Amino acid sequence: DADVTQTPRNRITKTGKRIMLECSQTKGHDRMYWYRQDPGLGLRLIYYSFDVKDINKGEISDGYSVSRQAQAKFSLSLESAIPNQTALYFCATSEGSDTQYFGPGTRLTVL
Amino acid sequence: RKEVEQDPGPFNVPEGATVAFNCTYSNSASQSFFWYRQDCRKEPKLLMSVYSSGNEDGRFTAQLNRASQYISLLIRDSKLSDSATYLCVVNFPGYSSASKIIFGSGTRLSIRP
Repeated sequence: DADVTQTPRNRITKTGKRIMLECSQTKGHDRMYWYRQDPGLGLRLIYYSFDVKDINKGEISDGYSVSRQAQAKFSLSLESAIPNQTALYFCATSEGSDTQYFGPGTRLTVL
Repeated sequence: RKEVEQDPGPFNVPEGATVAFNCTYSNSASQSFFWYRQDCRKEPKLLMSVYSSGNEDGRFTAQLNRASQYISLLIRDSKLSDSATYLCVVNFPGYSSASKIIFGSGTRLSIRP
């Protein structure tokens, strides 16, 4: 079984809809991250969490919110999706500032 | 200037060739450096960490040049399976208790038969 899982893997939604992307990990890591990836821009950090009580904004947090429900779960919400949020979204975990382990990604399309 | 900068490529080389690419970073106080590999439509995976003394893993060699603020990745005897995008990752000194992890936008490598 994969150590970091993301659901859904693909999602098509309409402008204005609320959508939640979920991430679970079995690695026992405290740190979890949400990134988006766009062609030519690389990975950009949306939010990160160093433990259940710690949530921090990343480089591009506007239009997104997160919830760290447990050490193993970190969800990303788009309260009102817009087309420029169409991207590939990755969740990642790490132990300290060490290697990051990524989930398989969620391909989101906002029409 | 971008905090972490990579030549986007694509680098198109024949099988068996040696290929190298660099990644520059802006913060001289950066602590940790990594190369990740990302296959098309897949998640990034750690290829190797980059140590001050340089390190080698089979056909792959990573080097760090602190004076000029760049890291490099050398691939010898390239295989078709090396075709991927290679992401440079730099850990910048932290704000609060955190380090700031910055990903480069990646260098695309294509190995032809």
